Amino acid sequence: AQTVTQSQPEMSVQEAETVTLSCTYDTSENNYYLFWYKQPPSRQMILVIRQEAYKQQNATENRFSVNFQKAAKSFSLKISDSQLGDTAMYFCALRQGAQKLVFGQGTRLTINP
Amino acid sequence: DAGITQSPRYKITETGRQVTLMCHQTWSHSYMFWYRQDLGHGLRLIYYSAAADITDKGEVPDGYVVSRSKTENFPLTLESATRSQTSVYFCASSERGRGNTEAFFGQGTRLTVV
Repeated sequence: AQTVTQSQPEMSVQEAETVTLSCTYDTSENNYYLFWYKQPPSRQMILVIRQEAYKQQNATENRFSVNFQKAAKSFSLKISDSQLGDTAMYFCALRQGAQKLVFGQGTRLTINP
Repeated sequence: DAGITQSPRYKITETGRQVTLMCHQTWSHSYMFWYRQDLGHGLRLIYYSAAADITDKGEVPDGYVVSRSKTENFPLTLESATRSQTSVYFCASSERGRGNTEAFFGQGTRLTVV
């Protein structure tokens, strides 16, 4: 069975700081995909970044980057130069076949002015 | 409007009543999903569908029924609502692809069972 674990229920940093959100997962497959979704107070789910397991290079999207450690089954999200608009719930997710996403419990991130 | 829409946005119902949550997408995506979001659990898959007339159970299907007679619609029915089904429900859709395709989510339905 696939599982995704986010061990940090809440985090808080000052604006402009860098913050890293942790995610570990478990799967028996070799081919899978990992995602980070953001959920602001509006409740809308927004894709932040995605990583294909067979690609060794870490994905980056502007201020967002991941540290993908396949052997350790770790997929952390780094947000650089954090902004007030980054305040949200962040979910790590794993997809393996059938397009189903398995989500972690979420990390509530607060960016303070 | 293009996209994926859920209705209603908010619903209060009584224990034992039947309630249906609607989901409509305009992209003709093959896959559609229903998730529930609860504090401490993230999003958990209730049911999903790979195409019209094809549905399958997810992680927490008990007490729910789905149908998909048309590609664009994927309603979720609670046959006899219970307080444990109080939650925020999300519908999502995605294209058939390699697995890196983005899943698009509706804005959620907050359901309260009293």
